[in-house]
Amino acid sequence: AQKVTQAQTEISVVEKEDVTLDCVYETRDTTYYLFWYKQPPSGELVFLIRRNSFDEQNEISGRYSWNFQKSTSSFNFTITASQVVDSAVYFCALSERDSGYSTLTFGKGTMLLVSP
Amino acid sequence: DTGVSQNPRHKITKRGQNVTFRCDPISEHNRLYWYRQTLGQGPEFLTYFQNEAQLEKSRLLSDRFSAERPKGSFSTLEIQRTEQGDSAMYLCASRPTGQKNQETQYFGPGTRLLVL
Repeated sequence: AQKVTQAQTEISVVEKEDVTLDCVYETRDTTYYLFWYKQPPSGELVFLIRRNSFDEQNEISGRYSWNFQKSTSSFNFTITASQVVDSAVYFCALSERDSGYSTLTFGKGTMLLVSP
Repeated sequence: DTGVSQNPRHKITKRGQNVTFRCDPISEHNRLYWYRQTLGQGPEFLTYFQNEAQLEKSRLLSDRFSAERPKGSFSTLEIQRTEQGDSAMYLCASRPTGQKNQETQYFGPGTRLLVL
């Protein structure tokens, strides 16, 4: 079974629209971290946000915000007022204490296309 | 802080040839990771090092693959007798230990391998 599921394969929006990327995860561990990474066409994975399993407080950082809900095992990511430069593949990832936080398990990614 | 660097960025080789990739982590990051990413998929864990010790290897890492980190700084990943199925992006990441935010892995730009 997939540990991290990103059901949206591709999303297309017009600049300035808000967009939410969905992530559902599966773990038996009580302590874990969730991440969002961005991969632009250049290929480098860029770290965006991290949230640990004990902190369900949702935050906003600039145009980014996230909604972490343990009850539904979801960690959704929202970009407000999207820009063309936001076009990239976005990955949700899980790191579990049982593995010593030694590995990241990624979803398959969601490609975001922001058009002018 | 110069970030994780990887060389070469691109490699084209013929089936059966050996290839070697290099990764230079962020200085003082004692954990170093290798991942493989195929088209349309998220990165998959291959192996990781703490300093010079290779602590974990994925079953994806066949006998043709070998990774080293001889002095606990840079790392090399060698693929012997390459096969067309080895064509992928090979990503390196590093992270600190014993520090705040130690759970976050920072990725390099990757080496894109094409086996003809």
